Amino acid sequence: DVKVTQSSRYLVKRTGEKVFLECVQDMDHENMFWYRQDPGLGLRLIYFSYDVKMKEKGDIPEGYSVSREKKERFSLILESASTNQTSMYLCASESLGGRWGEQYFGPGTRLTVT
Amino acid sequence: RKEVEQDPGPFNVPEGATVAFNCTYSNSASQSFFWYRQDCRKEPKLLMSVYSSGNEDGRFTAQLNRASQYISLLIRDSKLSDSATYLCVVNLNKFYFGSGTKLNVKP
Repeated sequence: DVKVTQSSRYLVKRTGEKVFLECVQDMDHENMFWYRQDPGLGLRLIYFSYDVKMKEKGDIPEGYSVSREKKERFSLILESASTNQTSMYLCASESLGGRWGEQYFGPGTRLTVT
Repeated sequence: RKEVEQDPGPFNVPEGATVAFNCTYSNSASQSFFWYRQDCRKEPKLLMSVYSSGNEDGRFTAQLNRASQYISLLIRDSKLSDSATYLCVVNLNKFYFGSGTKLNVKP
């Protein structure tokens, strides 16, 4: 069974803090993604990675950066958290040889920035 | 303009009913299409892919209409366990998710 884990389920940070969200997958998947999910807006892609040390911007990368030093781990960094980054953050992974269209999601991190 | 639009619902239906959701997409170059299911406070999971010829998986039928740029999901003989939010996904080199349609199946 594929497992995608995220470092925290709930996180509260102050404006201006640096925030690290960690995601680990245990199935040797090549592709990994970070989304945020907001009511009425659905899931929006922040960044994705097709390989170690590779990263691509998604639709809303501003205010975020990512790191993929190892294949199984994909980190999302908020350099200076702002209140408009309060959201549910979902990490996903995908195998190139897996079921077509299947991304496996972690349980999510609900981040509140005060 | 959103890439993917869905009616947020909720659709409230009795057990055993047939219910259908539509989803429209804006870019005709979209390559592939999927339905995901998201239970309350859970992560999304792939329900089924949508093929041009239409496809069926048990009580679920998905169809694609490229000319009108919409995809549909039909659920027959609804079960209480079908209650969830259904996310339409369009692949245009990356995934674009709709905001979801909420389904409540009542006893």
